[in-house]
Amino acid sequence: DQQVKQNSPSLSVQEGRISILNCDYTNSMFDYFLWYKKYPAEGPTFLISISSIKDKNEDGRFTVFLNKSAKHLSLHIVPSQPGDSAVYFCAASHYTGGFKTIFGAGTRLFVKA
Amino acid sequence: EAGVAQSPRYKIIEKRQSVAFWCNPISGHATLYWYQQILGQGPKLLIQFQNNGVVDDSQLPKDRFSAERLKGVDSTLKIQPAKLEDSAVYLCASSSTGSLEQYFGPGTRLTVT
Repeated sequence: DQQVKQNSPSLSVQEGRISILNCDYTNSMFDYFLWYKKYPAEGPTFLISISSIKDKNEDGRFTVFLNKSAKHLSLHIVPSQPGDSAVYFCAASHYTGGFKTIFGAGTRLFVKA
Repeated sequence: EAGVAQSPRYKIIEKRQSVAFWCNPISGHATLYWYQQILGQGPKLLIQFQNNGVVDDSQLPKDRFSAERLKGVDSTLKIQPAKLEDSAVYLCASSSTGSLEQYFGPGTRLTVT
């Protein structure tokens, strides 16, 4: 069963515009939600996270919004840059003696110059 | 600070052969993870170590997969015998104790023919 779902395999955006990547989850027990970014032939790198008790977290051009009632989160990138072109993984984590993290399938973002 | 190291980067084997992957985590990181990422999917946790003890191996196919972290530093993941469906990228990640953020290595791309 997929506990973390990213329903859009790809997204194309014009440089300078906003990119919105979406993620849904099914388990109410998750404590944190994270976004990782992955370039080809590299491992994923951590981008931004949000605690389940918050509804927004911002870091520069990246903002994550959490809607717990809808079990939905989104990553906003403003303004989008060509270097943002990558695969973005949504992940959810809960603590059980250590953090256990479940990843979505990823969304490939293309930012066109 | 050196990142997570993995070797080899690529491996091609025939089904029923055996293969081993090596991972050296970031110095001081007590938690080490092995993930399997099949094409088009997100990383799936195979096993999680805290120092040299196993925290979670619930999704490790123990009839063919094994992993060890004998001295609580580097780790090896072995597949014996390999099946076609084991073709994937195997990612190693590490984190400091109690930390949410994981640092990933570049991965090993395994092709089973």
